[in-house]
Amino acid sequence: EVQLLESGGGLVQPGGSLRLSCAASGFTFSSYAMSWVRQAPGKGLEWVSSISGNGGTTYHADSVKGRFTISRDNSKNTLYLQMNSLRAEDTAVYYCAKRITATGTKYFDCWGQGTLVIVSS
Amino acid sequence: QTVVTQEPSFSVSPGGTVTLTCGLSSGSVSTSYYPSWYQQTPGQAPRTLIYSTNTRSSGVPDRFSGSILGNKAALTITGAQADDESDYYCVLYMTTGISVFGGGTKLTVL
Repeated sequence: EVQLLESGGGLVQPGGSLRLSCAASGFTFSSYAMSWVRQAPGKGLEWVSSISGNGGTTYHADSVKGRFTISRDNSKNTLYLQMNSLRAEDTAVYYCAKRITATGTKYFDCWGQGTLVIVSS
Repeated sequence: QTVVTQEPSFSVSPGGTVTLTCGLSSGSVSTSYYPSWYQQTPGQAPRTLIYSTNTRSSGVPDRFSGSILGNKAALTITGAQADDESDYYCVLYMTTGISVFGGGTKLTVL
């Protein structure tokens, strides 16, 4: 059974940093792209970042480019999101998602339960 | 900037049929955008319903179906049930490698 378990959320001051982790199990982690998706309180889902299976290719939404960095450690089956220069508008539940990017199909396959990040003074 | 559009809200009677749509602010949605659909109830993680336009994810009831209708992707629920009352999101995949979520549709079953 695929499991994705996020951690690392919490309260941080504006301008601060936080690193989220997503521990994966139940599948061959290095074979799959992974993504972070967030949801601000009372708002819709927003794609944040994606990374290829070997970590060599990354994508970030314009809203976080230059501030957030997605990475992975395939030896630890763990996905990360380093978040710097945090702003109040980054307050959200952050979901880790397994990504299918095979030829002819692209979608988010499985989701974690999310971790809450609150940016406030 | 690419904007993916969805109806903010929709209502359907129990047993009825409803079609939610997913469009682009500029241009038409085609299968090349690999439209996918996700269901989310309050406080829960999203659940994958449909991918690659019309393929149901494992365990999804066949009352959920996906298609392209005109210039939009569509999610049709046939024989709506009370527990279908949720938020529904579509996602389009761009050739740049990014994914764009629609704003979501809040579906009420009453």
